[in-house]
Amino acid sequence: AQSVTQPDIHITVSEGASLELRCNYSYGATPYLFWYVQSPGQGLQLLLKYFSGDTLVQGIKGFEAEFKRSQSSFNLRKPSVHWSDAAEYFCAVERQNFVFGPGTRLSVLP
Amino acid sequence: EPEVTQTPSHQVTQMGQEVILRCVPISNHLYFYWYRQILGQKVEFLVSFYNNEISEKSEIFDDQFSVERPDGSNFTLKIRSTKLEDSAMYFCASRFFNQPQHFGDGTRLSIL
Repeated sequence: AQSVTQPDIHITVSEGASLELRCNYSYGATPYLFWYVQSPGQGLQLLLKYFSGDTLVQGIKGFEAEFKRSQSSFNLRKPSVHWSDAAEYFCAVERQNFVFGPGTRLSVLP
Repeated sequence: EPEVTQTPSHQVTQMGQEVILRCVPISNHLYFYWYRQILGQKVEFLVSFYNNEISEKSEIFDDQFSVERPDGSNFTLKIRSTKLEDSAMYFCASRFFNQPQHFGDGTRLSIL
């Protein structure tokens, strides 16, 4: 079955530390891949997307993600986390429609 | 930058009542979507709409739900007879061909 998984429900990092949020998908062919961020009570903001081409994509707020076809992964990274990055992060894929992963909640310690 | 706007931001309705959630997609977008997010859960696809008709819908989108684009600018989601389990955040999205979807800030629907 087609699915999107985010293995980490909740991650806590210290401000200034590096971050990696994991995302795996199971589809027959490479879908379009996205990362969204959602602050409490807010809407969904697109961080970055992958359609094709360079497998390392740069997004807003200093985030990047790397598509690895062999691992069916699209992990999100940031070299130095800021307190304002605390939020829920959703990986999503699009083939015929949009499918979101369950989300990873990021907490940032001062 | 153009945005998808949703009104109201919070809707409180008695169980069994009809509710209409409104969205104004970005003006040159052609594809329109509704999603639902129950508190603490992931975002779920409800329905997609293109060329004035539903192009795809999920199993959640049963006969109690309907969508309409009544005037070329608004895109509405109607729930005919609300149930407690319809309480959720509802997101509208739109896109232009193969570009990413743009999401609104959502409408929080509370069913009493």
